[in-house]
Amino acid sequence: NAGVTQTPKFRVLKTGQSMTLLCAQDMNHEYMYWYRQDPGMGLRLIHYSVGEGTTAKGEVPDGYNVSRLKKQNFLLGLESAAPSQTSVYFCASSTHPGTRFTDTQYFGPGTRLTVL
Amino acid sequence: GDSVTQMEGPVTLSEEAFLTINCTYTATGYPSLFWYVQYPGEGLQLLLKATKADDKGSNKGFEATYRKETTSFHLEKGSVQVSDSAVYFCALSDPAGRRALTFGSGTRLQVQP
Repeated sequence: NAGVTQTPKFRVLKTGQSMTLLCAQDMNHEYMYWYRQDPGMGLRLIHYSVGEGTTAKGEVPDGYNVSRLKKQNFLLGLESAAPSQTSVYFCASSTHPGTRFTDTQYFGPGTRLTVL
Repeated sequence: GDSVTQMEGPVTLSEEAFLTINCTYTATGYPSLFWYVQYPGEGLQLLLKATKADDKGSNKGFEATYRKETTSFHLEKGSVQVSDSAVYFCALSDPAGRRALTFGSGTRLQVQP
């Protein structure tokens, strides 16, 4: 049981290049999220998904796209990377809530991205 | 919108000292509250949580009580260890549908031997 895994762990891009970050979970969770972590700002939600085939925007979606073709995978794409996207990216997943919103989010180890 | 405010760090303590990290929140409805911990080079791990007013979450000697009247969820530990050195994040859940977490900015704790 690996939990939440992220690929790659580190990446350096040049401005204008594209890349895809992969998140995979083996807990059969319905909900998946992408956050970015910047110094002094905590984590901010980029995009999220409430189930296979669905995606929605979070607080800071500009410059990113996502896809959830399979329940266990959630991909984050940067079509044309910018230096402002230098950050640490975390994926998380959680179960479908029951009658009370008590679900815990499980986080991956993060991807450190630098855009030059 | 929802927001979480944490005390700024870093907090530097000697081993066996008492720890308090303050957290207050603003939210509509009745959020669940969480403390997550991030050790160097790692992702976030759930430390404890509380789902309704007056609930106390506890784990590994840490505890926090959901205070609706003061909209607070302060983290405390009676005797810190060097191994507690990490960044601590207070967060609340969005009860409206997306279940995403709203995080505070994090507080770095450094415990010296």
